[in-house]
Amino acid sequence: GENVEQHPSTLSVQEGDSAVIKCTYSDSASNYFPWYKQELGKRPQLIIDIRSNVGEKKDQRIAVTLNKTAKHFSLHITETQPEDSAVYFCAATTNAGGTSYGKLTFGQGTILTVHP
Amino acid sequence: DTGVSQDPRHKITKRGQNVTFRCDPISEHNRLYWYRQTLGQGPEFLTYFQNEAQLEKSRLLSDRFSAERPKGSFSTLEIQRTEQGDSAMYLCASSLVGGDDTQYFGPGTRLTVL
Repeated sequence: GENVEQHPSTLSVQEGDSAVIKCTYSDSASNYFPWYKQELGKRPQLIIDIRSNVGEKKDQRIAVTLNKTAKHFSLHITETQPEDSAVYFCAATTNAGGTSYGKLTFGQGTILTVHP
Repeated sequence: DTGVSQDPRHKITKRGQNVTFRCDPISEHNRLYWYRQTLGQGPEFLTYFQNEAQLEKSRLLSDRFSAERPKGSFSTLEIQRTEQGDSAMYLCASSLVGGDDTQYFGPGTRLTVL
């Protein structure tokens, strides 16, 4: 089955700096990679996702890059703000050639702390 | 609130007791997933339904766990003869096949087994 490794486990940055979180996956059939943000005591919320037919996607201060050959993808947050502090999870899944994606396999999470 | 809802939010039980959790997905979402999350870990897949059909169960899922989605809307997850190792956050997510396929998560049910 799929295995997703996420690094680093903790990340501390100063406000305004950039933050990068990296994930690797094992199953070459995986073709959908969402990123979720989970604040303390709250539900995971999707912040950005990428499908395997593109190499990069950007949404304001957040971007995700995908390297299918190396089987890794990364989350980039620029101009970090204290409200970006949370746990971030990467995940991977496949539609196995069909029309819908299935179960998500998550990384272990990264605790991001942005210091004012 | 039109998002995924779960009930109860917290459950404390004694070892050996049975517990049941409920998940109400986003209206018209045909897929419903159950995940378990322990402290410091990412959510771990348990099982999922498409409409009322249970399509996959994790091999890690003990026989003490059972899930249903009888009418293709809400779902229940039952744990029989709870053990301390069952203590975790149980998350439900729903998605729309044929739509954006994004899994939207509920707030979770935190189970503590004493």
